[in-house]
Amino acid sequence: EPEVTQTPSHQVTQMGQEVILRCVPISNHLYFYWYRQILGQKVEFLVSFYNNEISEKSEIFDDQFSVERPDGSNFTLKIRSTKLEDSAMYFCASSAGFMAEAFFGQGTRLTVV
Amino acid sequence: AQSVTQPDIHITVSEGASLELRCNYSYGATPYLFWYVQSPGQGLQLLLKYFSGDTLVQGIKGFEAEFKRSQSSFNLRKPSVHWSDAAEYFCAVGASSGNTPLVFGKGTRLSVIA
Repeated sequence: EPEVTQTPSHQVTQMGQEVILRCVPISNHLYFYWYRQILGQKVEFLVSFYNNEISEKSEIFDDQFSVERPDGSNFTLKIRSTKLEDSAMYFCASSAGFMAEAFFGQGTRLTVV
Repeated sequence: AQSVTQPDIHITVSEGASLELRCNYSYGATPYLFWYVQSPGQGLQLLLKYFSGDTLVQGIKGFEAEFKRSQSSFNLRKPSVHWSDAAEYFCAVGASSGNTPLVFGKGTRLSVIA
């Protein structure tokens, strides 16, 4: 069964460092998303990506964040200068089309120290 | 703006007992509704979804949910809970137009006891 793959599963980084979270969406999907879940809190939308550009972003997704689909298969989330409050589980998701089921990856746990 | 409320943070049920997890939503147009389950250390797995039609939808693992427009609710049910159902359950709402992302509730943690 096709699945969304995220790497690494856990990343520890020092405050102020740049991190790149990687995702391989399902191959024929067109819509891509990043969500995050701070420990004990709800899953929050960060950004959606379609047709090689951001289609929507939340207020969480400030200038420190960027997304890229560098090679047609990977979908990355970059945090330029990490803060302690960026510590969270980050989920990538993809869907085949508008309102199609979104498939989620297993997440990357980011710990900023 | 869309919002989802899951009033129960944590529920404990006995194995074999019935289960109902509550979800209320706020949305100005026709909502698309989803239930996801997150097992420890895992990603989010779709249990079921409602777009239109029959208001009682069946999902995987024996779950079902009923859309009640008058109550703005989409409660998840299972007649007999198994120990493997222990997980975090998230209700989510999506818009009926555009590429609008899902809005999730805070989740309900289900514990199952023998």
